[in-house]
Amino acid sequence: EAGVAQSPRYKIIEKRQSVAFWCNPISGHATLYWYQQILGQGPKLLIQFQNNGVVDDSQLPKDRFSAERLKGVDSTLKIQPAKLEDSAVYLCASSLNGGKNTGELFFGEGSRLTVL
Amino acid sequence: KNQVEQSPQSLIILEGKNCTLQCNYTVSPFSNLRWYKQDTGRGPVSLTIMTFSENTKSNGRYTATLDADTKQSSLHITASQLSDSASYICVVREASGAGSYQLTFGKGTKLSVIP
Repeated sequence: EAGVAQSPRYKIIEKRQSVAFWCNPISGHATLYWYQQILGQGPKLLIQFQNNGVVDDSQLPKDRFSAERLKGVDSTLKIQPAKLEDSAVYLCASSLNGGKNTGELFFGEGSRLTVL
Repeated sequence: KNQVEQSPQSLIILEGKNCTLQCNYTVSPFSNLRWYKQDTGRGPVSLTIMTFSENTKSNGRYTATLDADTKQSSLHITASQLSDSASYICVVREASGAGSYQLTFGKGTKLSVIP
């Protein structure tokens, strides 16, 4: 079974530039998450989708971050304009129907962003 | 506010030795608790899940415990190997209605196993 795919693995940009990350979840997983993980810390939820609807985006900095999940499968996370503090690993995760499972998340390998 | 606190923040042990990682939480109502292992440069992978009725569960050299009364969990690693070097993250799921739930992540314990 294929895992969660993310790209790019690494990205270096200058502040005020824009960047986009892509995620393809495990087939059949209705719930998709984007997490931000700053070095030395645990993952912080940015946004959660159930199919193509947003369940929770309370911690998404909406002035610069946006995310979409068209057709309820792939998702993209965009940052525009980027700030130095956005340097982090962006993890995508998926799970079975959010309310009908034990909450196990399957993570991709992450996209490491460095903002100079 | 739901919180998950992990200790120690980092730990260095010799190969072959045992170690115990701690997780304290304030999440309520409690649904379950998971320990994830995150290798450097990789995404976290679930090691084990603990539900309210479970006190101890083993997965190879990993043994997790849960005390739901004191809201504490531990992860014990026996006969450590170099491949155990990773961050271990405790994640607690809050029980909520309407089929939705919230997950609270700890900051993780970074374990280094040295020869």
